[in-house]
Amino acid sequence: GENVEQHPSTLSVQEGDSAVIKCTYSDSASNYFPWYKQELGKRPQLIIDIRSNVGEKKDQRIAVTLNKTAKHFSLHITETQPEDSAVYFCAASTTSGTYKYIFGTGTRLKVLA
Amino acid sequence: GAVVSQHPSRVICKSGTSVKIECRSLDFQATTMFWYRQFPKKSLMLMATSNEGSKATYEQGVEKDKFLINHASLTLSTLTVTSAHPEDSSFYICSAEPQETQYFGPGTRLLVL
Repeated sequence: GENVEQHPSTLSVQEGDSAVIKCTYSDSASNYFPWYKQELGKRPQLIIDIRSNVGEKKDQRIAVTLNKTAKHFSLHITETQPEDSAVYFCAASTTSGTYKYIFGTGTRLKVLA
Repeated sequence: GAVVSQHPSRVICKSGTSVKIECRSLDFQATTMFWYRQFPKKSLMLMATSNEGSKATYEQGVEKDKFLINHASLTLSTLTVTSAHPEDSSFYICSAEPQETQYFGPGTRLLVL
């Protein structure tokens, strides 16, 4: 079946440094790629998304890049702050069966003050 | 973003009882809602896609008779865990999409004793 691989599983960075999380998807028909941030015990919150007709999107300190040929996309967080500490999930849309998301396994980001 | 509510937030029940969880889209209509299960420190596992006015689509390995889904209106989907057992204890989260972006409810933490 379709899947999304996400790396790394854990990531620790110093406050102010950048963090990069990478995902690879298998369904070549995927055309929508959201990123979610989940704090402990809370709901996943959409932080940024990108569609397949765009190569890069930026929103303040957060950016996402997409390489359709290689079928991978990445989340970039610059000038990290302690409140960025959370679990981040990537997802790729798929129409295999019914329209739905396939989620990555998550990355636990720790920003050290 | 769109607002999705979920009720109850926590429930403790005895083994053998049934538990109903509600998912509501508060400021939009949702013909499709999704039900996920999340184990501690794990990713979101799609259980089923709830379709308004028709039968839900279940993912492979998810028991239809165990996890009953009803999507009776454009703003409400319910998940009933029937004859709950301790192994059903988990964090259940719903999502709904006004267009192609899924917005998540706050989740329901189920503990079966």
